Amino acid sequence: AQSVTQLDSQVPVFEEAPVELRCNYSSSVSVYLFWYVQYPNQGLQLLLKYLSGSTLVKGINGFEAEFNKSQTSFHLRKPSVHISDTAEYFCAVSDQLGGTSYGKLTFGQGTILTVHP
Amino acid sequence: EAQVTQNPRYLITVTGKKLTVTCSQNMNHEYMSWYRQDPGLGLRQIYYSMNVEATDKGDVPEGYKVSRKEKRNFPLILESPSPNQTSLYFCASSLGFSGANVLTFGAGSRLTVL
Repeated sequence: AQSVTQLDSQVPVFEEAPVELRCNYSSSVSVYLFWYVQYPNQGLQLLLKYLSGSTLVKGINGFEAEFNKSQTSFHLRKPSVHISDTAEYFCAVSDQLGGTSYGKLTFGQGTILTVHP
Repeated sequence: EAQVTQNPRYLITVTGKKLTVTCSQNMNHEYMSWYRQDPGLGLRQIYYSMNVEATDKGDVPEGYKVSRKEKRNFPLILESPSPNQTSLYFCASSLGFSGANVLTFGAGSRLTVL
């Protein structure tokens, strides 16, 4: 079984400042890692994913994340945020073995990013 | 447009009154799943389905039922809703059911049980 911890429930930041949203996971097997974003009154959309290969993953809207296996982390970063980035962000993991997990995503608690002008 | 459609988007009901939240996808996806979202808890899986007539429990299945009679539809049934089922519900689907597949989410259904 996996678990995901998002270390900050809320992150306020000013426009054009850099931001990092932190995510740690726990799993006994190798995992796939995802970040989803939820804009107000909408469903979740994929921001980026790590399946294999390069540990630095680039996503939509200028976001990127780095997979750190030794620290079991997958932090999300953006060098300069915009007002439109205000949303809730979810880190999620699924295991690579399938079996009884069958595509199941385990989500973190969510981080609300608020960008102030 | 490829999408997952949920209805109703908003619903207020009373304890014990059966209700169904519909979910339909137009992408010919094999895998479908229901999640509930609660503040501070993230999204938790209720039920999932790998194909027609193949459903299984997720992490929080108590008080819910599902069915998958057609590939495109995956309704969530609350036979006797209780106030602790007040939540935001999401249906999601993906092409396959390996962990690498990306889920497409519906817009959500906000349910209040009085």
